[in-house]
Amino acid sequence: DAGVIQSPRHEVTEMGQEVTLRCKPISGHNSLFWYRQTMMRGLELLIYFNNNVPIDDSGMPEDRFSAKMPNASFSTLKIQPSEPRDSAVYFCASRFQFSSYNEQFFGPGTRLTVL
Amino acid sequence: ELKVEQNPLFLSMQEGKNYTIYCNYSTTSDRLYWYRQDPGKSLESLFVLLSNGAVKQEGRLMASLDTKARLSTLHITAAVHDLSATYFCAVGRGGGADGLTFGKGTHLIIQP
Repeated sequence: DAGVIQSPRHEVTEMGQEVTLRCKPISGHNSLFWYRQTMMRGLELLIYFNNNVPIDDSGMPEDRFSAKMPNASFSTLKIQPSEPRDSAVYFCASRFQFSSYNEQFFGPGTRLTVL
Repeated sequence: ELKVEQNPLFLSMQEGKNYTIYCNYSTTSDRLYWYRQDPGKSLESLFVLLSNGAVKQEGRLMASLDTKARLSTLHITAAVHDLSATYFCAVGRGGGADGLTFGKGTHLIIQP
């Protein structure tokens, strides 16, 4: 099992540019979560999907952020336009909703730096 | 709003000593998780606790849950350097498909 796959692993961009982060969940998992980690705010849930449908996007900080899950094996998190305060590590996690433990498995993360 | 508080946030200890990390949460939840994160790495699941009185152990780490007190503990026995990491507790927001609310993490350094 390859685990959750995220790309790119590192992204450096300039303020105002569009950034797209990608995630492939573990095969067979039907829930996908996007989290952001910063020193100041810790780990925050941004949005999550069940069966490709967005369930709760209340953690998305602004309209500049958007997320999609066009199929069960792919999700994107887009920031447009990006700002320096968006610099963080973005984690994707997946889970099989009906497992006993509802355990979430995290990807390696994308470290985003906005200059 | 669910709040999760960990303490201490930073802990430096010597090898061979015992210590406990505490995790308090503000509202009823049906599950609690402990994760480990090494610098620059992802989060590794350590324990999942589902019921009051649940206790789980793996090597030198033992986690417990008291749902009435809304408290979980992560106990480290005879610490070794390899356990140096940041430890997070996270609480499910309820139901079967919700995201997790994380504590701030406990940065643990174990010195020889």
